[in-house]
Amino acid sequence: NAGVTQTPKFQVLKTGQSMTLQCAQDMNHNSMYWYRQDPGMGLRLIYYSASEGTTDKGEVPNGYNVSRLNKREFSLRLESAAPSQTSVYFCASSPSWVVSTYGYTFGSGTRLTVV
Amino acid sequence: QKEVEQDHGPLSVPEGAIVSLNCTYSNSAFQYFMWYRQYSRKGPELLMYTYSSGNKEDGRFTAQVDKSSKYISLFIRDSQPSDSATYLCAGREETSGSRLTFGEGTQLTVNP
Repeated sequence: NAGVTQTPKFQVLKTGQSMTLQCAQDMNHNSMYWYRQDPGMGLRLIYYSASEGTTDKGEVPNGYNVSRLNKREFSLRLESAAPSQTSVYFCASSPSWVVSTYGYTFGSGTRLTVV
Repeated sequence: QKEVEQDHGPLSVPEGAIVSLNCTYSNSAFQYFMWYRQYSRKGPELLMYTYSSGNKEDGRFTAQVDKSSKYISLFIRDSQPSDSATYLCAGREETSGSRLTFGEGTQLTVNP
């Protein structure tokens, strides 16, 4: 099915370990986003890529890095995981950076636990 | 203060009830407003989209924006058990491209 695919779906890390969350979309969207969702905090933007070749910080970028590998793929890397990064991570995409009635298409999320 | 505040819930209603979900926002530059629905262990999906003040209706759903009071509402008529989900409101400035600011979400349960 067309949409946003995130891998892995679940992950447990030890403090200090690194990992990369993968995201790919097959809708030919230009813009992609990484959010984290925490109880009582809602969805918070970590990083975004308005178009291929560009990335920018969102609201909570500390401890994360991103790579827009190509138009389809946008990865999120945790270099040294901390318990505060325990969260559900969502990747999303949208047709373009300009205002759109289509909003975002979200993936199904990666549930990350850092122990 | 968060830019978008949402009724926390959880909210539990009987099937067939009219549901009102509400948000307030503080950013006067918001021009675009969205409602997303999120089923358990799934990603959010766009439900309604409105621009500036006014009402928008789509089937059993009505989105309402009052920019003078910075108030956003979603009404669900004849609620169904399949409407049980978390509802997220979001706002966006006209000049910030497509960056959305989300509320915390309200969990709704519709009981058969």
